[in-house]
Amino acid sequence: KNQVEQSPQSLIILEGKNCTLQCNYTVSPFSNLRWYKQDTGRGPVSLTIMTFSENTKSNGRYTATLDADTKQSSLHITASQLSDSASYICVVSDSNAGNMLTFGGGTRLMVKP
Amino acid sequence: ETGVTQTPRHLVMGMTNKKSLKCEQHLGHNAMYWYKQSAKKPLELMFVYNFKEQTENNSVPSRFSPECPNSSHLFLHLHTLQPEDSALYLCASSQENQGGYGYTFGSGTRLTVV
Repeated sequence: KNQVEQSPQSLIILEGKNCTLQCNYTVSPFSNLRWYKQDTGRGPVSLTIMTFSENTKSNGRYTATLDADTKQSSLHITASQLSDSASYICVVSDSNAGNMLTFGGGTRLMVKP
Repeated sequence: ETGVTQTPRHLVMGMTNKKSLKCEQHLGHNAMYWYKQSAKKPLELMFVYNFKEQTENNSVPSRFSPECPNSSHLFLHLHTLQPEDSALYLCASSQENQGGYGYTFGSGTRLTVV
């Protein structure tokens, strides 16, 4: 069964600090992995998407890494801002399942002043 | 604005009411989806439409009835809901068979059943 596990479930950091969120998956055969940011009460917004051949991708202060061998991904946030407070969701696509996605449970990040 | 528009943003309804959620996408996609997101739970896929045909129904109770009149519009008709149906309902669209590329969510409808 395809699964995506994220850790930690929640995280509190001070403004200006860096943090790293983790994602482990068992989706196979792998197609792509993306990280979404979801503000409270809003829809998820895509931050990055990576295929099998990509092992790092950046979007401003967000940098995602992918290790397809160990089936792990991380999202690193640099110099955090208050507006980074949100849930971050790891989503993996199965190349045999058309557009079906497997969602992680998310990491809830709170950035405090 | 993501290109996927959901209305209304908030909805409060009684258990005997009938209401509808609307989703419209302006991205030229041919697949549309309804998701339910309850508090502190992962997104749950409810329905999938490819080229206006329903291709997935994840054991959703019949009190939720989807309708897809064309590839740009998707509705979720609600009737005799229960308080546990209170959640954020998200619509998404994508281009079929692109493995999740271009998968775009709307801002959601926050539904409260009283």
